[in-house]
Amino acid sequence: QLQLQESGPGLVKPSETLSLTCTVSGGSISSSTYYWGWIRQPPGKGLEWIGIIYYSGSTYSNPSLKSRVTISIDTSKNQFSLRLTSVTAADTAVYYCARHVDLGYFDSGWFDPWGQGTLVTVSS
Amino acid sequence: SYELTQPPSMSVSPGQTASITCSGDILGDKYASWYQQKSGQSPVLVLYQDTERPSGIPERFSGSTSGNTATLTISGTQAMDEADYYCQAWDSSTAVFGGGTKLTVL
Repeated sequence: QLQLQESGPGLVKPSETLSLTCTVSGGSISSSTYYWGWIRQPPGKGLEWIGIIYYSGSTYSNPSLKSRVTISIDTSKNQFSLRLTSVTAADTAVYYCARHVDLGYFDSGWFDPWGQGTLVTVSS
Repeated sequence: SYELTQPPSMSVSPGQTASITCSGDILGDKYASWYQQKSGQSPVLVLYQDTERPSGIPERFSGSTSGNTATLTISGTQAMDEADYYCQAWDSSTAVFGGGTKLTVL
């Protein structure tokens, strides 16, 4: 059974860089069938898509975050990562990683399963 | 901009049918997916490709579409179905989530 687990600092200072890693177990991140994604949820609010990455390194990101977001993949470790630069309090959220499944073209797809999420607080 | 619109909240009595709508221009061309998020938990996929149910999701969860609106229907709603529900679709290489609907079973 595929499982995803987020890890990284729970507290980041304003203007610094948020870095998270998602470790995938029970399946290979190198599969050509899937993308791998990041989604976040501010406390008490809805879900916001951050971006997805393919095993080849190809990425798509939310235009509203694109200038600050870098998503990378390490197939040797079965991990993918998120970097978000110049964070502010508005970036405080639970960050989820998830597998993206599609029908052969990525914009037909859905996210399943999701990791348990990790809360990142931006505060000095 | 990329928008999917859901009612913020709705309530249903146990055993009754709950229908949660998701509206957006992109739904005329793209598939919708639906996620259930119970309090303090991660989202769980309950429908994909508008109407398909993943394994393990009860048959009381079903989906439909009409024009630019996708609908998640829960038949014979149970207390365990109380949760936030989010729709999701893709628009111009951007994944979009609806604002979520808080379903109360009372």
